[in-house]
Amino acid sequence: DAGVIQSPRHEVTEMGQEVTLRCKPISGHDYLFWYRQTMMRGLELLIYFNNNVPIDDSGMPEDRFSAKMPNASFSTLKIQPSEPRDSAVYFCASSLGRSGGGRRANEQFFGPGTRLTVL
Amino acid sequence: TQLLEQSPQFLSIQEGENLTVYCNSSSVFSSLQWYRQEPGEGPVLLVTVVTGGEVKKLKRLTFQFGDARKDSSLHITAAQPGDTGLYLCAGPGPNTGFQKLVFGTGTRLLVSP
Repeated sequence: DAGVIQSPRHEVTEMGQEVTLRCKPISGHDYLFWYRQTMMRGLELLIYFNNNVPIDDSGMPEDRFSAKMPNASFSTLKIQPSEPRDSAVYFCASSLGRSGGGRRANEQFFGPGTRLTVL
Repeated sequence: TQLLEQSPQFLSIQEGENLTVYCNSSSVFSSLQWYRQEPGEGPVLLVTVVTGGEVKKLKRLTFQFGDARKDSSLHITAAQPGDTGLYLCAGPGPNTGFQKLVFGTGTRLLVSP
């Protein structure tokens, strides 16, 4: 299994530009999570999906952030317009879900992350 | 206020030393997970503990879940440079559902040769 795939690995952009981060979860996983990690705030959950449906977006900082999951194998996190304070590492993770996982159903598998720098 | 507090925040030791890191909460967790994150990578799951008082061993790493399921510890014996990384505990938050994990503040470990 290839694991969770994220692209790009690094993104440098200028303030005001649109940024799109991409994620391919592990095949067969029912849940997909988007996190942001900074030294100051640690690992923060932004939004998560179950079977492609957004369940909880309470962590999304503001309207500039949006996330979609058009099918079971693809999700995007978009920032428009981007600001310097959005600079962080963004992780995507997936988990199996109760249907098949038992006690391991909520174990999360993380992608390598996208390091975003907004100048 | 963080639901899961980890201590110490930073730890720098020499190869061969033993260490313990802690994960504490005032809330009861149905289970706790430990992840290790190496520089430039995403967190990787090490272990899940479910039962109060449970002890799990993974080579030189020993994980324990508190009897009251409010805390956990990770003990590393004879640390090696390959143990360097950020250690995170996580668990399903109270009233947030089984899938939504709360992550701890993290312990950053540096093991020097």
